[in-house]
Amino acid sequence: GAGVSQSPSNKVTEKGKDVELRCDPISGHTALYWYRQSLGQGLEFLIYFQGNSAPDKSGLPSDRFSAERTGGSVSTLTIQRTQQEDSAVYLCASSLRGGGTSGRPGDTQYFGPGTRLTVL
Amino acid sequence: AQSVTQLDSQVPVFEEAPVELRCNYSSSVSVYLFWYVQYPNQGLQLLLKYLSGSTLVKGINGFEAEFNKSQTSFHLRKPSVHISDTAEYFCAVSRWSGFQKLVFGTGTRLLVSP
Repeated sequence: GAGVSQSPSNKVTEKGKDVELRCDPISGHTALYWYRQSLGQGLEFLIYFQGNSAPDKSGLPSDRFSAERTGGSVSTLTIQRTQQEDSAVYLCASSLRGGGTSGRPGDTQYFGPGTRLTVL
Repeated sequence: AQSVTQLDSQVPVFEEAPVELRCNYSSSVSVYLFWYVQYPNQGLQLLLKYLSGSTLVKGINGFEAEFNKSQTSFHLRKPSVHISDTAEYFCAVSRWSGFQKLVFGTGTRLLVSP
């Protein structure tokens, strides 16, 4: 079946512009995660969705970052007023269920190919 | 909070030789353990995971890992590597309970040469 897809695969933008990154999880997966992979910081958690709600936003680095998920499926990560330090690969992952009160711990997270963001 | 240490940033090895990639973790609560592989310009793929039970876990592509609670380690091994195993390998943990975000190590680049 289809895996996790992300678009665009590459995005080049100018400092100060807003960008939107999209993630299509595996069909039927209720949990969705965003991570960021950068040379300086490695792989970092950003935000977790269970259905359409985001019970864990602890990894968002600043209020310029926001994310939403609609219909329990597609998610969009928005970065406002981009800065050069936002340059990274943004990875999305989904799992059948997440954790917390509604989940089954240890579910495998399936990752998309990522969006490479370059801020000039 | 959890943290993961992968001491070796790069491991060069010849084809058909054995390899061990080291992973140590720190956590005040019980965790699950994972190894992911990332091939060039691709996303992460799960190699194996330890949830409970036998401490020796077998994964895809001939890899295995052993959980050692007393040493808080989860080292990855393969008895004979192939050129195609050249990739970045990430060790990660998640909590037993609560939200299942992964905390990753900094990665180990495995370089297999003929």
